[in-house]
Amino acid sequence: AQKVTQAQTEISVVEKEDVTLDCVYETRDTTYYLFWYKQPPSGELVFLIRRNSFDEQNEISGRYSWNFQKSTSSFNFTITASQVVDSAVYFCALSGGLNTDKLIFGTGTRLQVFP
Amino acid sequence: KAGVTQTPRYLIKTRGQQVTLSCSPISGHRSVSWYQQTPGQGLQFLFEYFSETQRNKGNFPGRFSGRQFSNSRSEMNVSTLELGDSALYLCASSLIGQNTGELFFGEGSRLTVL
Repeated sequence: AQKVTQAQTEISVVEKEDVTLDCVYETRDTTYYLFWYKQPPSGELVFLIRRNSFDEQNEISGRYSWNFQKSTSSFNFTITASQVVDSAVYFCALSGGLNTDKLIFGTGTRLQVFP
Repeated sequence: KAGVTQTPRYLIKTRGQQVTLSCSPISGHRSVSWYQQTPGQGLQFLFEYFSETQRNKGNFPGRFSGRQFSNSRSEMNVSTLELGDSALYLCASSLIGQNTGELFFGEGSRLTVL
């Protein structure tokens, strides 16, 4: 069965702190995709990153970085020097198959960044 | 370009009624998928349409149905509403629906069932 676990329900940090959001996934597929989405209070999910199962290179985009480790089935997300605007709910997701947009979402981590 | 548009944004219904939600994808996008978001169950996949054909369906009862029109606009319908159907319903679109790119989500339709 496919499953995504985000064990951290809520994280609170003070601005400029670094924060890591954990994501652990389960799948029997050999080819799959992993995603992170951000959900601000307005409700829409905003795409942050897509990673395929054959690419374990870490990725950095500005203050955001992602660590993909197949050996531990983890796809963690780090925000460096957090800002108040980073406050949102973050979802990790796993592709629900090939040739489909179906996603299996984790339960989300609510990040609160205080000034 | 315009994003994914969902209407209505908010609605209140009573048990037993039915509801239709609409989703206009980004121009040129042919794949539309729907998700239900509740505090208890989180984000759950409802169904996916590509070129007017349902390509995938989640584990929801038959009261939940959808369709896609030739212009890629999509509607979902929930009949015989139950209290547990109260949720944020999110629509997402993509070019070809093969997880090759990002999904673009709308702001959702928040349904309250009384």
